[in-house]
Amino acid sequence: DAKTTQPNSMESNEEEPVHLPCNHSTISGTDYIHWYRQLPSQGPEYVIHGLTSNVNNRMASLEIAEDRKSSTLILHRATLRDAAVYYCILYTGGFKTIFGAGTRLFVKA
Amino acid sequence: DTEVTQTPKHLVMGMTNKKSLKCEQHMGHRAMYWYKQKAKKPPELMFVYSYEKLSINESVPSRFSPECPNSSLLNLHLHALQPEDSALYLCASSQGPGGFGYTFGSGTRLTVV
Repeated sequence: DAKTTQPNSMESNEEEPVHLPCNHSTISGTDYIHWYRQLPSQGPEYVIHGLTSNVNNRMASLEIAEDRKSSTLILHRATLRDAAVYYCILYTGGFKTIFGAGTRLFVKA
Repeated sequence: DTEVTQTPKHLVMGMTNKKSLKCEQHMGHRAMYWYKQKAKKPPELMFVYSYEKLSINESVPSRFSPECPNSSLLNLHLHALQPEDSALYLCASSQGPGGFGYTFGSGTRLTVV
């Protein structure tokens, strides 16, 4: 299975942007990059996904490196409600989606 | 309705008990999943159903028995569990293969005593 590498944890101040990095050096040309987050006592929720181009939605932005070996999830203004574990996942097709260890984001007031 | 509903939210069972976890979605999704999540760890895939047929079994012990009675409902039958099976059990659904996003339920917190 394709692997992703993320920092174990990151800290941010409220109202400031947060850049969450993900390395995926073994990505293949058809693999999509997905991000999910898991708030305390909740199941994971979909955040964003992309293939080659940068993507924006109401929750976040996804910047994908030109060689696609890394990507960055950007939360433009972190709030206390954004404190969660953020998972970067390579989707390789089919029904098998494997979660990596994720990054635990702490947001300080 | 854009939710996956799991019941019960909490379950305590003895090692000789039989119990079932239930998952329901009304989004017309044709794929449904069971994941197991231990504390401070990522979710681990257990089973996948596609169009009500078992598509993937990730070598899960037979004391866990999934069932998909119809396209909206997914059950996980539990029998003779061990204390190490205590975990959060998450159900998810997707329109097809997971490439365009899963919807997860909030999970059932299972404790085996």
